[in-house]
Amino acid sequence: EAQVTQNPRYLITVTGKKLTVTCSQNMNHEYMSWYRQDPGLGLRQIYYSMNVEVTDKGDVPEGYKVSRKEKRNFPLILESPSPNQTSLYFCASSFSPDSYEQYFGPGTRLTVT
Amino acid sequence: AQKITQTQPGMFVQEKEAVTLDCTYDTSDPSYGLFWYKQPSSGEMIFLIYQGSYDQQNATEGRYSLNFQKARKSANLVISASQLGDSAMYFCAMRDVTSGTYKYIFGTGTRLKVLA
Repeated sequence: EAQVTQNPRYLITVTGKKLTVTCSQNMNHEYMSWYRQDPGLGLRQIYYSMNVEVTDKGDVPEGYKVSRKEKRNFPLILESPSPNQTSLYFCASSFSPDSYEQYFGPGTRLTVT
Repeated sequence: AQKITQTQPGMFVQEKEAVTLDCTYDTSDPSYGLFWYKQPSSGEMIFLIYQGSYDQQNATEGRYSLNFQKARKSANLVISASQLGDSAMYFCAMRDVTSGTYKYIFGTGTRLKVLA
């Protein structure tokens, strides 16, 4: 089944404890992206990757890192999480950067205490 | 800076009636794409429809149509013959491509409730 998977789906952690949220797609997509969703703010793009060689910042990259070492995976790294990073995170992918449709993962709900 | 504005936090519509969800955008770039996504209460994001800035005709996908008014910078979503399953949060989004980047900007969303 063609899909975008994220792990974990739920995570409660403490301030400063490094964490990684994994994202994987099995559709051979070039473009991958991370978003955070907060009430009243909609979705905001954190980072995106047009292909394995090109990664760039979205609108809210502060406090996050990403890595695209292989085409199918695009992990989101929070090296020192803070409570303001408590959010719902979505990974998404599309066949190419100019494809019409992005396929979203199921989301990861992160709570930082 | 690019911006998407959805001014309707919530809306109600009677089943089988049509409803329009508003979206205005702001960009100085000539090339961009406009999207609508649906997020049901279960949380997943579902792509609905796409409109390119150079497309002459309004996009349609089944019961969904995008009313694209370029001069007014609006990209309203029209849902015809509403169904109970249309109750969800709807997000308008824009993709900027002119500068060679492929960034997405989303609006704050409109929560639609379809009444039986």
